[in-house]
Order: sequence, then structure tokens, then C-alpha cells
Amino acid sequence: GAVVSQHPSRVICKSGTSVKIECRSLDFQATTMFWYRQFPKQSLMLMATSNEGSKATYEQGVEKDKFLINHASLTLSTLTVTSAHPEDSSFYICATEGGGVTDTQYFGPGTRLTVL
Amino acid sequence: AQSVAQPEDQVNVAEGNPLTVKCTYSVSGNPYLFWYVQYPNRGLQFLLKYITGDNLVKGSYGFEAEFNKSQTSFHLKKPSALVSDSALYFCAVRAFTSGTYKYIFGTGTRLKVLA
Repeated sequence: GAVVSQHPSRVICKSGTSVKIECRSLDFQATTMFWYRQFPKQSLMLMATSNEGSKATYEQGVEKDKFLINHASLTLSTLTVTSAHPEDSSFYICATEGGGVTDTQYFGPGTRLTVL
Repeated sequence: AQSVAQPEDQVNVAEGNPLTVKCTYSVSGNPYLFWYVQYPNRGLQFLLKYITGDNLVKGSYGFEAEFNKSQTSFHLKKPSALVSDSALYFCAVRAFTSGTYKYIFGTGTRLKVLA
């Protein structure tokens, strides 16, 4: 399957600061990337879908201005959590779809965000 | 509404015994069904998928799943469990909703294989 990396794997920040998480597709060009959020002992919640070169599509209830997504190239998407608060602490996972296999998502290893 | 259900929060099985992790779905049209496994503090690893064809799908690490259209189920199975199979398992369906394809995940089942 596809190889997806995320950076950083873990980040701790102070309340009010912004944090950027990178998601890279290492072995194919990902036309579409997905950002999920996972709360402890819960399932994945889709936050947004990003398509290369266009604006991300956010799910209902997800604040666009708080969770900024940029998909500037076919191998990189970034999620920026702006003015982070403790309630934003979570496990964020990206996934890619593309490279000729358009029906399967491949996930990154996730980023653990802790906001103090 | 389109949905995926994993009725068991946790499944315990002895090492060497067969295991089953249950999944049922509700989706319009022909379903694309997936199983993923998640180890602690890691992302999801793809195990197998059903798109069309043979109802029995074989995947990674000796896992297989059987698509049953009449029962709208896609249970994950393995003939002989290993302690290293202990992890969180997610069933997902790829559904067309709000004008695009999205994955809908079940709530996950924690598999515990006892030595």
C-alpha cells in the first residue's frame, strides 16, 4: 500500500499558539487527502477533505478558520490548528487517496497534539 | 442514514483459537467495505477490502473477511489468533454522501488475544 508520513508525531503547545501538522504522500501523487480527528477510545471523525490546488471541503461543525488546511502540492497537505485550546488536544490522522487506487485510503501514523 | 456498526467494544480470544470481529453496514448502492487495524498511538493500517467478486476476501497478516449481502455484514476472521494481533480494529464503508465519496467508520473493536 501507499506510504504516508506525518510530522510531527507528537507536539505540546501552549494555549493560544498555532500548530502546523504536515502530511506527506511518499510514493505516489495524492490528488485527495483527508484529515481525521480521533478522541481517546473513539472512532475517527472526518474533519475535511483537501484536493490539490483547491479549497478544502470541511465537514459540518468543523471550524474552517480554526483548522486551516492547505494542499499545495500532490505530495503535501498541511493542517494548522490556529489559536489552539486544550479542547483541541487530540490525535490527528491524515489519509491519502490516489495514485491509481481511488477507492482505498492509506493513513499516516498520526500526530498527538496536547495543548496546555 | 448510511452507517457502520461494530457491536462489540472488545473481543477476547485465546491464542491459537479462531477469531471473529463483527461488522454490519447500512449503505445505499453497492458497498465498498474495508478493515483497518490500529496499534497504540499509530495510524490505521489497511488490512483488506471488498469491492466486488468473491465474497471471501483475503488480506494482510492472515486475516480474511466475508461479505454477506443478505445480512449486510462484513465480519473479519482469522483461523488462528496471535498475541500480536491484539489491537483496535475498524470496519469502514466508502459511501457517497453530500456529493462526494467518504469513509464512514465503525466505533472500533478492541481485540485482545490471551497467551
